[in-house]
Amino acid sequence: ETGVTQTPRHLVMGMTNKKSLKCEQHLGHNAMYWYKQSAKKPLELMFVYNFKEQTENNSVPSRFSPECPNSSHLFLHLHTLQPEDSALYLCASSFRQGPKTLSYEQYFGPGTRLTVT
Amino acid sequence: AQSVAQPEDQVNVAEGNPLTVKCTYSVSGNPYLFWYVQYPNRGLQFLLKYITGDNLVKGSYGFEAEFNKSQTSFHLKKPSALVSDSALYFCAVRDMNRDDKIIFGKGTRLHILP
Repeated sequence: ETGVTQTPRHLVMGMTNKKSLKCEQHLGHNAMYWYKQSAKKPLELMFVYNFKEQTENNSVPSRFSPECPNSSHLFLHLHTLQPEDSALYLCASSFRQGPKTLSYEQYFGPGTRLTVT
Repeated sequence: AQSVAQPEDQVNVAEGNPLTVKCTYSVSGNPYLFWYVQYPNRGLQFLLKYITGDNLVKGSYGFEAEFNKSQTSFHLKKPSALVSDSALYFCAVRDMNRDDKIIFGKGTRLHILP
């Protein structure tokens, strides 16, 4: 899984902690995504970045804050989370030929398993 | 609104038998369809896609999918199942109104019995 990497793979944090998830893609892609995968629920798109610009915020609570410093790196900053935020957080990337064109299929990282206590 | 349905939560198949994982979709306009697989404690892996052209699409690990426009289906198939094919499979469709949003089905767990 050298295409899209995520760190850490596992994270346990208290409700008052601040932590960050990191994603890095080595595929030359220019669009990056955060998804939340909870048990028995469909995959939820959280944020989309195209050419480093945020183009989608899918009604995500402000306790989740994304950052995309360049087209290869994506962060998800976490603070004052709730126990229901415990889930697998997946990063994905894809390629699009231009800002107004469709992007191709997405490639996923292995995920960060987050547990909020 | 675009949507995708996977009617089976779980599919059990004996090793060596053909397998089918079902998917139906609803879109306005032409569909862009995908299949992904997820192994335990891993992210989703892209298997194959249909955009246009031949209705039978070949993908990774010997999988293929058949696009059927009249039935709005995109079933995943493999002629001979392996135990290692046991995983969670997701069908997905691109939302053409929001071009970077891919809508995923809820997933079908495939068990290949030795």
